[in-house]
Amino acid sequence: DAKTTQPNSMESNEEEPVHLPCNHSTISGTDYIHWYRQLPSQGPEYVIHGLTSNVNNRMASLAIAEDRKSSTLILHRATLRDAAVYYCILRSIGGSNYKLTFGKGTLLTVNP
Amino acid sequence: DGGITQSPKYLFRKEGQNVTLSCEQNLNHDAMYWYRQDPGQGLRLIYYSQIVNDFQKGDIAEGYSVSREKKESFPLTVTSAQKNPTAFYLCASSDRGRSSYNEQFFGPGTRLTVL
Repeated sequence: DAKTTQPNSMESNEEEPVHLPCNHSTISGTDYIHWYRQLPSQGPEYVIHGLTSNVNNRMASLAIAEDRKSSTLILHRATLRDAAVYYCILRSIGGSNYKLTFGKGTLLTVNP
Repeated sequence: DGGITQSPKYLFRKEGQNVTLSCEQNLNHDAMYWYRQDPGQGLRLIYYSQIVNDFQKGDIAEGYSVSREKKESFPLTVTSAQKNPTAFYLCASSDRGRSSYNEQFFGPGTRLTVL
């Protein structure tokens, strides 16, 4: 499976935008970029996913570099409830379609 | 409400005992998964099942066993052969279709402590 690299931790202030980076230089053409987040002592939850184009949903936006070797999860206005570990995961349509390989993710701290 | 339930939330066992963790879903999903999470680490896949009566080993299956007799249930047994069973165990489910989406829905987890 192609690997992702994320910063161990990031800090933000409440109501400010947050940009969470992810590097995936070995991404293949069939890899989708998925983001999940895990609130303290809970199971992860899906945030967003994309292939080549930028994506928006009610939770966040995903900006994907033109060469697809990196992507950025954007929280437009961080709230205290957004404090969590954010995981960037590559998932191929073929092969082990059902697997999600979680790294250590980025621990986001939101200051009031 | 549709979702995944795991019970119990906290579980304590003595070393050498087998223990079974429950996972039930009412989302009508074909695929179910078990993950293990250690402090400060990401999730690691133990077993997964794409359909009833079928399951495959994940990355760290040694010392664990599963069954999938019903679509909605995927219990995990932590056997005495598992060297370091103390961890946070998470169950998940998803549709089985080959789409880009296939969001995995996670349960609240069971925190197992072996004394």
